[in-house]
Amino acid sequence: QSVLTQPPSVSGAPGQRVTISCTGSSSNIGATYDVHWYQQLPGTAPKLLIYGNNNRPSGVPDRFSGSKSGTSASLAISGLQAEDEADYYCQSYDSRLSGVVFGGGTKLTVL
Amino acid sequence: EVQLLESGGGLVQPGGSLRLSCAASGFIFGSYAMTWVRQAPGKGLEWVSDISSSGGGTYYADSVKGRFTISRDNSKNMLYLQMNSLRADDTAVYYCAKPFDIVSTEPLGPWGQGTLVTVSS
Repeated sequence: QSVLTQPPSVSGAPGQRVTISCTGSSSNIGATYDVHWYQQLPGTAPKLLIYGNNNRPSGVPDRFSGSKSGTSASLAISGLQAEDEADYYCQSYDSRLSGVVFGGGTKLTVL
Repeated sequence: EVQLLESGGGLVQPGGSLRLSCAASGFIFGSYAMTWVRQAPGKGLEWVSDISSSGGGTYYADSVKGRFTISRDNSKNMLYLQMNSLRADDTAVYYCAKPFDIVSTEPLGPWGQGTLVTVSS
């Protein structure tokens, strides 16, 4: 059972917009700790996609965006492309556990 | 270009030990904290351990505390994870990861390619 809760799967057709939620609690996201998002393509290591709630590292397309409110955060992907098919993980810090915490991951399927 | 190359994984019996290594290049290794994260087969990501840039501060997930030891050799640009009293649920791909910036341990990026540890009799 992950500390941060994500939907196991989401799907969308090419060109559509999808969102992935990440729900935490008062000891992590709600405690104003930043949320970060990672993309893991099949058979590869995770890659940083969004940092500090809504910032993109160099090279990440602006189709990817993040937001945070209260004890939850969201990753939005617009203009869905086949290459976006991957697992997506949210991550924050938990003061009660004194460590980094991840969401359980969401598998994005491009129909 | 930042490169992180893990090694040392393999098959080990329950109760056994293994030492993972991560060779770092392309950045000033001694200026950054470093992290180990693992991923059990078909499962999600789990933070394992952090170490400060000097090595003086170490932090562990409850699931590995007392069994795993993180260390580093800044003169060799190497990160290590000594794993003792291994259990079946330690089976995972182990990734080393560098913080995205110098001032914090997270977010993480880039990551190494990972090394597989299998605990089985």
